[in-house]
Amino acid sequence: AQKVTQAQTEISVVEKEDVTLDCVYETRDTTYYLFWYKQPPSGELVFLIRRNSFDEQNEISGRYSWNFQKSTSSFNFTITASQVVDSAVYFCALRFQYGGSQGNLIFGKGTKLSVKP
Amino acid sequence: DAGITQSPRYKITETGRQVTLMCHQTWSHSYMFWYRQDLGHGLRLIYYSAAADITDKGEVPDGYVVSRSKTENFPLTLESATRSQTSVYFCASRRDPANTGELFFGEGSRLTVL
Repeated sequence: AQKVTQAQTEISVVEKEDVTLDCVYETRDTTYYLFWYKQPPSGELVFLIRRNSFDEQNEISGRYSWNFQKSTSSFNFTITASQVVDSAVYFCALRFQYGGSQGNLIFGKGTKLSVKP
Repeated sequence: DAGITQSPRYKITETGRQVTLMCHQTWSHSYMFWYRQDLGHGLRLIYYSAAADITDKGEVPDGYVVSRSKTENFPLTLESATRSQTSVYFCASRRDPANTGELFFGEGSRLTVL
């Protein structure tokens, strides 16, 4: 079965704190893709990153970084020095290379991050 | 560059009425998707389409109908709306012909069924 678990339903931090959003996935496929999306209060879904299963290098983009570990089936997202504008719901998603639904994304239930000034 | 546009953005209807949510994309992407977002469930796939005149069911298709007569349009119809279909609906498309690319989402349509 393909599944994405985001165990943290809500997280609240104070501005400038670092915060890590957890994502654990399940898949039997050897080739798959992992994604993070951001949904700010305005409601749109914004693509943040895609990783394929063969690339375990961590990635950093400004204050954002992602830690992909196949050994623990995790793809965690860290925001360094959080800002109020980071307040949003963050979704982790999985797509497997082969199978039905033509590349459908399987989403976790999301983590709501609130950054307070 | 309009991307994906959904209409209406907000809709209130009554139980039993037919409702159509429109989705239009300007990129000529082959693949299009409809998701619904509900608290506690994240986003769940309703229907998807690989090309014009090719559609298939997703995880939660019951009560919905789709069509894809043109590549750029992918309307979602609730033939007889129920309260359980109160939700936020997102249309998405994919650029990459392989199964690798990210999905691009519309702004969502918030539907309330009274």
